[in-house]
Amino acid sequence: ETGVTQSPTHLIKTRGQQVTLRCSSQSGHNTVSWYQQALGQGPQFIFQYYREEENGRGNFPPRFSGLQFPNYSSELNVNALELDDSALYLCASSFPPGTSGGASETQYFGPGTRLLVL
Amino acid sequence: AQTVTQSQPEMSVQEAETVTLSCTYDTSENNYYLFWYKQPPSRQMILVIRQEAYKQQNATENRFSVNFQKAAKSFSLKISDSQLGDTAMYFCAFMKPYGGSQGNLIFGKGTKLSVKP
Repeated sequence: ETGVTQSPTHLIKTRGQQVTLRCSSQSGHNTVSWYQQALGQGPQFIFQYYREEENGRGNFPPRFSGLQFPNYSSELNVNALELDDSALYLCASSFPPGTSGGASETQYFGPGTRLLVL
Repeated sequence: AQTVTQSQPEMSVQEAETVTLSCTYDTSENNYYLFWYKQPPSRQMILVIRQEAYKQQNATENRFSVNFQKAAKSFSLKISDSQLGDTAMYFCAFMKPYGGSQGNLIFGKGTKLSVKP
């Protein structure tokens, strides 16, 4: 069984640039969620994708956008990078919404992408 | 809105001893899920244990167990026979069931646990 993978592991960008982060879900999972974790904080929910559509969104501006592909992998795109976007970006996968026994509520995380904006 | 509070920023324990990490939450929901995740210095968030609110029995996973007090909105994690590999940040998290949520976990700020030899 393959776990959640993310790429790249580290990234350095300058303010105003755009970045794309990638995530492959765990085998058997078709729902992907993205979180931002600032230093010393708990993760904050950005959005979730299911069936290639955004299924829910946290309190993040529209310059944070995403995609999900037919193979369930996902991208997080951030435009017009700001210094405060420097963080660890975590991807998590889960079974589809409504799967019984708490399976859809249980999310499994990848190793994260560390983004530094200068 | 739901909130999760972890009141212990840092804790330490001697190897082989037992430690309890605290978590409280606020919600008006009757049915929900609670989780403990571990994040070692390698950064990967690892699921430790899950509790369904409708189950009265406390969840256990090997050396890890929880004390779930629904009325008090308390969800503590007990680690028995602590090992050096348990050194990590521990996050408590809450989720409403699908149909009442966006699919998002709500995390506390974490407790940094150090296991000393």
